[in-house]
Amino acid sequence: AQKITQTQPGMFVQEKEAVTLDCTYDTSDQSYGLFWYKQPSSGEMIFLIYQGSYDEQNATEGRYSLNFQKARKSANLVISASQLGDSAMYFCAMRANRNTGNQFYFGTGTSLTVIP
Amino acid sequence: DVKVTQSSRYLVKRTGEKVFLECVQDMDHENMFWYRQDPGLGLRLIYFSYDVKMKEKGDIPEGYSVSREKKERFSLILESASTNQTSMYLCASSPLVGLGRGNSPLHFGNGTRLTVT
Repeated sequence: AQKITQTQPGMFVQEKEAVTLDCTYDTSDQSYGLFWYKQPSSGEMIFLIYQGSYDEQNATEGRYSLNFQKARKSANLVISASQLGDSAMYFCAMRANRNTGNQFYFGTGTSLTVIP
Repeated sequence: DVKVTQSSRYLVKRTGEKVFLECVQDMDHENMFWYRQDPGLGLRLIYFSYDVKMKEKGDIPEGYSVSREKKERFSLILESASTNQTSMYLCASSPLVGLGRGNSPLHFGNGTRLTVT
């Protein structure tokens, strides 16, 4: 069975500091994709970053980077130089293949608060 | 830009009513999904569809059904609404990715907050 675990319900970080949001996953598939989404209080889901299971380099997108440790089945999101606008819910997700298309599994999310 | 449109932002219905939540995407995506979001539980998959008229149950299909008569439209139906179906409902779409490769994220609609009284 596929499962995504986010063990930090809430996190606080000082503005301009870096923060790591944890995500572990469980799958027996060899090929899968890992995603992070941001959900501000407005409710929209914003795609942040992607890591493929075959990618050897950690993904980076601006201030976001994904610390991918395949053997440990972890895909932590690192936000550098936190800004007040980073305060939001963050969800880790995994895409798995099925004979019936692709399926996406989500964690329970981490609420990040950036303190001025 | 991909656009996923959910027909209602807020909806209030009475217990026992039949409720239709509509979702339309404009990028010819094969996959479409309905999730339910509740505090502390994250996003839970209700149903998904990978092609017209095809549907698969997700983790919590009980009390729901879906319809996909056209590729761009995926409807979620609550046959007889109950108070425990009060929630935020999110529709999403994505292209079909072979072997799980490729940066093809889910694209979400803005959500429908349903209240059942």
